Amino acid sequence: QKEVEQNSGPLSVPEGAIASLNCTYSDRGSQSFFWYRQYSGKSPELIMFIYSNGDKEDGRFTAQLNKASQYVSLLIRDSQPSDSATYLCAVIAGGTSYGKLTFGQGTILTVHP
Amino acid sequence: DGGITQSPKYLFRKEGQNVTLSCEQNLNHDAMYWYRQDPGQGLRLIYYSQIVNDFQKGDIAEGYSVSREKKESFPLTVTSAQKNPTAFYLCASSRGGTYNEQFFGPGTRLTVL
Repeated sequence: QKEVEQNSGPLSVPEGAIASLNCTYSDRGSQSFFWYRQYSGKSPELIMFIYSNGDKEDGRFTAQLNKASQYVSLLIRDSQPSDSATYLCAVIAGGTSYGKLTFGQGTILTVHP
Repeated sequence: DGGITQSPKYLFRKEGQNVTLSCEQNLNHDAMYWYRQDPGQGLRLIYYSQIVNDFQKGDIAEGYSVSREKKESFPLTVTSAQKNPTAFYLCASSRGGTYNEQFFGPGTRLTVL
């Protein structure tokens, strides 16, 4: 079982819709969770981080964390074509060396006009 | 402008040659990291450093070496012992302590001919 798994995608949504990206992790002691956006040929850009159970909102983005279910998600409201990118989920597992991020394989999102 | 710079952007190397990738940050971050990304895959940690003159191996350190003589700089050497060096190399930094958010440089794309 992979340590961090993301829904395989690709995910295609129409402009203006809600895009939902999901991520599960295997280590129940994981403590910190991150979402990065990566455009083709570019480096990842941090868009959200969440440390506590519940929802965290920032503009059109909402991160949701459920530690009991070992599940973290990213919702993008009012999706725009500029949101088309690969979204990477990353986790700092419990008991690991400080700052060691483990990444999922990414989900490709396409927002079509 | 504060940020992370990596050079060169593209690098071509012949088999059997060592090559050094540069990473510099002026964010006053304590921690720095090197990742490797292969096509269609997530990022994998090569080395990381939490403080000057100290660094630790990540998940795929074989065939790589680093140094951390200055807070601002964390160069990565890809040696001839690395069997599959062609990849996208990403440097990241974070403030350290309880601040786990990592920010990435633009990356170096290394191709072995």
